[in-house]
Amino acid sequence: AQKITQTQPGMFVQEKEAVTLDCTYDTSDPSYGLFWYKQPSSGEMIFLIYQGSYDQQNATEGRYSLNFQKARKSANLVISASQLGDSAMYFCAMREWNFNKFYFGSGTKLNVKP
Amino acid sequence: DADVTQTPRNRITKTGKRIMLECSQTKGHDRMYWYRQDPGLGLRLIYYSFDVKDINKGEISDGYSVSRQAQAKFSLSLESAIPNQTALYFCATASRDSGTSGSSDTQYFGPGTRLTVL
Repeated sequence: AQKITQTQPGMFVQEKEAVTLDCTYDTSDPSYGLFWYKQPSSGEMIFLIYQGSYDQQNATEGRYSLNFQKARKSANLVISASQLGDSAMYFCAMREWNFNKFYFGSGTKLNVKP
Repeated sequence: DADVTQTPRNRITKTGKRIMLECSQTKGHDRMYWYRQDPGLGLRLIYYSFDVKDINKGEISDGYSVSRQAQAKFSLSLESAIPNQTALYFCATASRDSGTSGSSDTQYFGPGTRLTVL
């Protein structure tokens, strides 16, 4: 079974609007962390936001927030007020603390339209 | 200066050649990883190392070998390169589990090496 599933290969959003990128995960480890990375066309991987499995509140970092629904095993990334510079690939990832493994999803390509 | 560096940044080589990709980090992390990324796809783990004496295969280790020369250095070798190893290669580092978990326990990536095997 896939550890991380991103079902949206590509997304379009109008500039200044909000967009949600979906991510579901599968793990039997009670301790895990969820991460989102941005990969612009230049290729580097940029860490955006983190959510721990025991965190009670959803993580936020500026315009990024993580909609964490533990029972549904989902960790969707919400980008508010999209900017042209947000156009990139976005990867969801998970770290299992007890098994000490990292897993990445296949990514979502976001295009922000002016 | 970047915390995780990779050399070379770009490399074109021929089928059958041996090639080494190098990674250095100044973050003081114990754990280091090598991934490959094919166009339009996510990252796949090649090898990972928890310390100098602990090296483990990832999901796609065939055709690759690694060396952890020091805590800060982790090299990836392609003994006999083939065209389907053409990809973007990333090195990443991570701290030992802090016990509290948090964003500091994320993986930090190098800038990547674009490898083309003709």
